[in-house]
Amino acid sequence: DVQMTQSPSSLSASVGDRVTITCRTSQTNYIFLNWYQQKPGRAPKLLIYGASNLQSGVPSRFSGSGSGTDFTLTISSLQLEDFATYFCQQNYTTPPVAFGGGTKVEIK
Amino acid sequence: QVHLVQSGAEVKKPGASVKVSCKASGYTFISYDITWVRQAPGQGLEWMGWISAYNGNTNYTQNLQDRVTMTTDTPSSTAYMELRGLRSDDTAIYYCARGGCSGGSCYPLFDYWGQGTLVTVSS
Repeated sequence: DVQMTQSPSSLSASVGDRVTITCRTSQTNYIFLNWYQQKPGRAPKLLIYGASNLQSGVPSRFSGSGSGTDFTLTISSLQLEDFATYFCQQNYTTPPVAFGGGTKVEIK
Repeated sequence: QVHLVQSGAEVKKPGASVKVSCKASGYTFISYDITWVRQAPGQGLEWMGWISAYNGNTNYTQNLQDRVTMTTDTPSSTAYMELRGLRSDDTAIYYCARGGCSGGSCYPLFDYWGQGTLVTVSS
């Protein structure tokens, strides 16, 4: 089965900081990589699809990049409402869907 | 506006079954798969499977395929997930989401989610 490794598993940051979260997959063939944000008690929310496409309505401070086996989610200037847990997710794998373990972004 | 509204919380005893519903609105129901994802307390996201709302094709995760059944009812635009033989480690929030790749066309992202249904398994 595919392995998806997110790092770090948690981080502390301040408002205004630039934050980078990485996701590494063990799959080497075609990748379709998505990023989600989840706040406590809420359902996940799609932020980025296809590695770098911003979902409609998501602020432009969020961006995604990467190819091959290594992908990155960047928040250019962290806002209060961005403190949450972030998950990467991949399709076209075995099993068909895999999620990363999550990165919790906390207030420093 | 797209909405997915799930049924309410359930408490079940070990060995029982639970059936969670997910009513869709705001889009053409048969044009997208419905995916089910669960999240145990304090844990990450686990994909359970998906179903084509067009033809009923399903694909389940291997470790649940003997206990889970996903169905849809097109006239009511509702998807269902039934889990049988409940165990304590099935205690989780169960989410439905729009999207999937059950066969035919593929929409490989989950862009709208239900609010979640807490299923608690306890004797």
